[in-house]
This record gives sequence, C-alpha cells and structure tokens, in this order.
Amino acid sequence: DGGITQSPKYLFRKEGQNVTLSCEQNLNHDAMYWYRQDPGQGLRLIYYSQIVNDFQKGDIAEGYSVSREKKESFPLTVTSAQKNPTAFYLCASSTRGGRGTDTQYFGPGTRLTVL
Amino acid sequence: AQKITQTQPGMFVQEKEAVTLDCTYDTSDPSYGLFWYKQPSSGEMIFLIYQGSYDQQNATEGRYSLNFQKARKSANLVISASQLGDSAMYFCAMREGRTSGSRLTFGEGTQLTVNP
Repeated sequence: DGGITQSPKYLFRKEGQNVTLSCEQNLNHDAMYWYRQDPGQGLRLIYYSQIVNDFQKGDIAEGYSVSREKKESFPLTVTSAQKNPTAFYLCASSTRGGRGTDTQYFGPGTRLTVL
Repeated sequence: AQKITQTQPGMFVQEKEAVTLDCTYDTSDPSYGLFWYKQPSSGEMIFLIYQGSYDQQNATEGRYSLNFQKARKSANLVISASQLGDSAMYFCAMREGRTSGSRLTFGEGTQLTVNP
C-alpha cells in the first residue's frame, strides 16, 4: 500500500543529544514537509523540500536540520540547539507545489519527549 | 494577523445531526486553496476536503461539504449525519499562491465531540 511511514512512534531523548526522526514515502511525491505540533495547538512548518537535494526553512526552523538525498526520504534531526523539543512531529508529502490541489498526506507522527 | 482563524475551541453535536465548524482566512493572494483535516486521538492527520479559490461550486466529499463564501473569506466545514467516529480535532488550513509551493498554514483547530 502507498503511504507515509514515520519511525519511531515514540522517542525519548536526554537533554543535549541530537536525535533523527525518520520519514519515508512511496507515493512518488516530489514535495515533503515536517511540522511540529504542541498540545492543543495547530501545526507549524519546520522545513519543506520540493525536490531532491533542495529544501527551505519553514516558520520554526531554528534548532532543526534536514536532508533530502532521496525522493522517498526526508529525515529530520532535532539538535541540542532546539530549546523546547518535546512535541509531536508530523511528516507530510504532496505533489510538487503550485498546481491543482497539492493535497498533503500525513504520516502517523513521532512523539518526542526530552527527559 | 492570523492567516487562519478557527473561533470554536470546542463543539458538541448529537449523533445523526449536522454540525458546522467555522474557518475564516486572510490572504491578499488571488490564488489559494483551503483544506480541512481531521485528527483523531491517534494523532494522524486525515485529509477531508479541498476548495480552490477559483472553484465555482462548493466542494463536497460524502458527508463533508465546504461552505465557501469568498467575499467573507470563510470556508466552513459542514458534517452531515454526525457519527460517534467523527469525534476528533478538526483543522482548517490554507495554501497561498504558487510561488510558495504547497506549504500550508494551519488554524488552531476545533475539538468536535459527538454525543450518543
């Protein structure tokens, strides 16, 4: 089945450690996105990529880094510079931007807790 | 200013009745898209319905319809014949123009509870 997978579902990290969240899609989508969601709030865009080897900062990129070496994969690294990393992280993908509905489809999310 | 505003933090509806979830938006771009997503307690975001700024008719998808009033900049979601499984958080989102790709701006959401 086509879809988006994120792993792990739950992640615990000690303060000061970097951690990488995985996102893989087999929908043949060009564009991929990372969002952060805090309790009781909407989603905020961290980074997005419209094509392999290219990505742009979203609204809250500080303390995060990404790479896009393959079309199917868009891993997110939460660095020790991110001051409040405990949150729910959602990955999404869509056809390339600007035409049609460009509907974003989401993975199941990773819940990160910093101890 | 907020680009997407959802003024109802929580809504309650009886099973089998219809409910309207409000969404207003703010943009100066003539080309934009509006989306509604459902987020159950599991956390996954489920796409429900889309309305393009140039679409002449209101979008419908099964029990979901979008009441699009362009002049008022509102895009309310109507759920007909509510079911217990409709209990979830609902988010309105907007994509502006073509140059920013498909990046979305989300509202803060409305928690819908369907009572038996």
